[in-house]
Amino acid sequence: AQTVTQSQPEMSVQEAETVTLSCTYDTSESDYYLFWYKQPPSRQMILVIRQEAYKQQNATENRFSVNFQKAAKSFSLKISDSQLGDAAMYFCAYRRFLDNYGQNFVFGPGTRLSVLP
Amino acid sequence: DTEVTQTPKHLVMGMTNKKSLKCEQHMGHRAMYWYKQKAKKPPELMFVYSYEKLSINESVPSRFSPECPNSSLLNLHLHALQPEDSALYLCASSQMGGQAGGYTFGSGTRLTVV
Repeated sequence: AQTVTQSQPEMSVQEAETVTLSCTYDTSESDYYLFWYKQPPSRQMILVIRQEAYKQQNATENRFSVNFQKAAKSFSLKISDSQLGDAAMYFCAYRRFLDNYGQNFVFGPGTRLSVLP
Repeated sequence: DTEVTQTPKHLVMGMTNKKSLKCEQHMGHRAMYWYKQKAKKPPELMFVYSYEKLSINESVPSRFSPECPNSSLLNLHLHALQPEDSALYLCASSQMGGQAGGYTFGSGTRLTVV
């Protein structure tokens, strides 16, 4: 079974600075997807960024980018120019490449990010 | 429409009550999910519906009863709940597994059992 680990329960960053959240996972599969989801106090889980394991290029979405190291099974999230609105719980998630039934995710335990003004 | 709508946003119910949570999406997604989330924890999968058929039931107690009347709607019927069932209940939808997209989540129902 796949597992996802986020070793930093809490982190803080100064506004406008850069922060990196770490995520490692364990799988025996070669094709899969990795995601970062953000959950602010409003509760809604919001997709931040997605990486396909068969793509070597790291995904980027505006201020958000990932460092995907497939051999090391590492998938860290870098947030540049941090903003107050980035304060949230961040979940790393693994998804099998092909599921017969919908998409079955495995979530990490989460990292709570605080942004200091 | 790129949203998943959940109602109600908050619910307080007694242990003998019967209530229902509702979830609706109009993105043409054919997989829908119920997750339970306790405070400061990741979501835990409860049920998966694929093409309106229950495909995954993660050993959830029978006091939770899912229903998928059509491809856009997903309900969770609640009966004789326990205080430990108090949690945030999240609905999500997605394309089927062979496609690259992730979940689209609703904003959840905060359930309190008294």
